[in-house]
Amino acid sequence: TQLLEQSPQFLSIQEGENLTVYCNSSSVFSSLQWYRQEPGEGPVLLVTVVTGGEVKKLKRLTFQFGDARKDSSLHITAAQPGDTGLYLCAGINTGFQKLVFGTGTRLLVSP
Amino acid sequence: ETGVTQTPRHLVMGMTNKKSLKCEQHLGHNAMYWYKQSAKKPLELMFVYNFKEQTENNSVPSRFSPECPNSSHLFLHLHTLQPEDSALYLCASSQVATSGNRLWSYNEQFFGPGTRLTVL
Repeated sequence: TQLLEQSPQFLSIQEGENLTVYCNSSSVFSSLQWYRQEPGEGPVLLVTVVTGGEVKKLKRLTFQFGDARKDSSLHITAAQPGDTGLYLCAGINTGFQKLVFGTGTRLLVSP
Repeated sequence: ETGVTQTPRHLVMGMTNKKSLKCEQHLGHNAMYWYKQSAKKPLELMFVYNFKEQTENNSVPSRFSPECPNSSHLFLHLHTLQPEDSALYLCASSQVATSGNRLWSYNEQFFGPGTRLTVL
């Protein structure tokens, strides 16, 4: 069974602070996705990383896929209250539809 | 309506009730999914339907019965549930591709807002 552990589980910070969320596995994935889920909504895809070592930026969010394709990180610069939500990583194996979701990181950014 | 819609948004039911969750996707996709999201576990895949055919049942108890009458609609019929079945049930859809008889491509899954189910 493939597992994805995210850390930290909970993070409460002030507006303007920086933070990093980690997603780790002992399994190799062909690609990895990050989703954000807001209260009362389903997860929404933020990014897909497909190459080991790849770095993608989405405004203040920076995503990195580990060289060995077993881990990933999400870094948020100057967090804003609108970044509040549940962040989920999900691993994908080539040719398979099944997403393996991580345990989730709940982020609260206070004004 | 756009995207993926789910009804009802909230449902409270007794252990002896029978109810159904409905999902509709307006994206022209050919694959649909049911997921369970509970407080203490990662998002769990329950069922996968490709081209209206069930291709995955992730060891889900028989008290959950899915139905996919066409590629746009997906139902989850519930009966004699247990309190531990209380969770957020999410529907998703995606577009998949095939090569011969084999599914080989993966694309983004789009999620609905979910049905918050409480079993008393």
